[in-house]
Amino acid sequence: GQQLNQSPQSMFIQEGEDVSMNCTSSSIFNTWLWYKQEPGEGPVLLIALYKAGELTSNGRLTAQFGITRKDSFLNISASIPSDVGIYFCAGRDSGGSNYKLTFGKGTLLTVNP
Amino acid sequence: DVKVTQSSRYLVKRTGEKVFLECVQDMDHENMFWYRQDPGLGLRLIYFSYDVKMKEKGDIPEGYSVSREKKERFSLILESASTNQTSMYLCATSETRVQYFGPGTRLLVL
Repeated sequence: GQQLNQSPQSMFIQEGEDVSMNCTSSSIFNTWLWYKQEPGEGPVLLIALYKAGELTSNGRLTAQFGITRKDSFLNISASIPSDVGIYFCAGRDSGGSNYKLTFGKGTLLTVNP
Repeated sequence: DVKVTQSSRYLVKRTGEKVFLECVQDMDHENMFWYRQDPGLGLRLIYFSYDVKMKEKGDIPEGYSVSREKKERFSLILESASTNQTSMYLCATSETRVQYFGPGTRLLVL
């Protein structure tokens, strides 16, 4: 199946730093989702985006639906140790199934206290 | 809040055993999904169901089957477990464009 290109694959940062990660696709999407997964747990939804250009925040997290509809960005401001985990993007292809999502392979975030 | 529960967090089975993984949701969602997650491969869709008794193959259905007899319950069946089915299995549900995941079942096949 199709995969999203998510980068970076991993990040090691100091507490208090800001973090940016992004996902790109080869086709146009009508939905972008960002999830966080902690070790041994299932992914938890952070932010959902439905329109090109949309900018949505959830606490210290901000995500944007790219204007081209082929990319999305997630920023975390003033990182803290509990931000550690794997962050996944997921999207719904405009020309694809109504049910299926395409997932990135994740960005592993490590925060050094 | 959406609640998706999976019957076991950890399972250890032997090669050739029949394995049942159960998923239950409490939000009356139409759509339910089974994924497996492996390092370096990400999440891969095994099967999904868009209604009771309705199912469709995902990207990697070989070696698996599913059952959806009631709206709230979606079961994944490994007819004859093999070592290459050792993985993290994730159930998800959706009503619209967003999928909500359960906590996962980590299956080890010996």
